[in-house]
Amino acid sequence: GENVEQHPSTLSVQEGDSAVIKCTYSDSASNYFPWYKQELGKRPQLIIDIRSNVGEKKDQRIAVTLNKTAKHFSLHITETQPEDSAVYFCAAYSGGYQKVTFGTGTKLQVIP
Amino acid sequence: DGGITQSPKYLFRKEGQNVTLSCEQNLNHDAMYWYRQDPGQGLRLIYYSQIVNDFQKGDIAEGYSVSREKKESFPLTVTSAQKNPTAFYLCAIPGANTQYFGPGTRLTVL
Repeated sequence: GENVEQHPSTLSVQEGDSAVIKCTYSDSASNYFPWYKQELGKRPQLIIDIRSNVGEKKDQRIAVTLNKTAKHFSLHITETQPEDSAVYFCAAYSGGYQKVTFGTGTKLQVIP
Repeated sequence: DGGITQSPKYLFRKEGQNVTLSCEQNLNHDAMYWYRQDPGQGLRLIYYSQIVNDFQKGDIAEGYSVSREKKESFPLTVTSAQKNPTAFYLCAIPGANTQYFGPGTRLTVL
């Protein structure tokens, strides 16, 4: 089955700096890669996603890049703000919602 | 996200008890999913249902049971056979591109 590895598990950055979180996947059939933000005690919420036919996608301060050959994708947050502090999860879908594998999460702390 | 609700928000279970977590949706989706979240781990699929009166085991179904008698409801029962049930439980429904999660139930074994 699919295996998704996410790094780092924790990340601290100064406000205004950039943050990068990386995920690798194993199943070449995976074709959809969302990123979720989860605040303490709350539900995961989709912040950005990318499909396998696209190399990069950007939405204001957030961007995702995908390297299909190397089987890795990354989340980039620029000009970080304290409200960006949360746990971020990547996921890889390989056909149907029942075939999704989540990363283990990255706890991002933005220091004012 | 307002179309999917879970109750209760917090639940405490004694050893040997069965407890049932509620998941309701008013968006008329055929499919519903149950996930378990543990600290430092990704979400893991417990059970899913793609249509009323049908459901399938996910990756970690042992110690859990579900029913899908109504389209809008997909309750999850944590049985006494589940040896380590303390976790955050999330219900989900499909969206335009990805899944949308309910607010979650935090279950604690006393």
